[in-house]
Amino acid sequence: QKEVEQNSGPLSVPEGAIASLNCTYSDRGSQSFFWYRQYSGKSPELIMFIYSNGDKEDGRFTAQLNKASQYVSLLIRDSQPSDSATYLCAVKNTGTASKLTFGTGTRLQVTL
Amino acid sequence: SAVISQKPSRDICQRGTSLTIQCQVDSQVTMMFWYRQQPGQSLTLIATANQGSEATYESGFVIDKFPISRPNLTFSTLTVSNMSPEDSSIYLCSVRTDTQYFGPGTRLTVL
Repeated sequence: QKEVEQNSGPLSVPEGAIASLNCTYSDRGSQSFFWYRQYSGKSPELIMFIYSNGDKEDGRFTAQLNKASQYVSLLIRDSQPSDSATYLCAVKNTGTASKLTFGTGTRLQVTL
Repeated sequence: SAVISQKPSRDICQRGTSLTIQCQVDSQVTMMFWYRQQPGQSLTLIATANQGSEATYESGFVIDKFPISRPNLTFSTLTVSNMSPEDSSIYLCSVRTDTQYFGPGTRLTVL
């Protein structure tokens, strides 16, 4: 079982719709969760992080964490073509102070 | 935040040669990380570069193949040694301050 799992996609949503990106993780003791966006040929950039169960909102982005289900998601409201990218879920594991483990990413396509 | 630069941005190398990638940060950071991202794959941590001590390598990566230097708190190098086509990848430097930031990457192609 992979430590961090994401559906590779592509996930296609029309402009203006809500995009829902999902991530599951295997280490029940994981404490910190991150969403990065990576445009083709570019390096990852941090969108959001979440530590506590529940929702965290930042502009059009909402991160949702359910530690009991070992599940974290990212919602993008009012999706724009510029949101088309690969979204990487990353988990900070217990027992290793600074290591981030990344999922394989979900490719999002926002269509006109 | 942190601004990270890497050199070179890309290179094409011959099998059997070595390439050293440089990473410069605009502020002092305790820990720097080197990641690899192979085509179509996610990021895999190669090693953590600690200033004043040996780098800590992840499973599957060894110092002889990926020697790392960390002479001060703003700079690190990663060498990819005795390269083969399987080493073709993007190599990313990363640092953690308030959160984790990535450099622009070095795109390496080995022929």
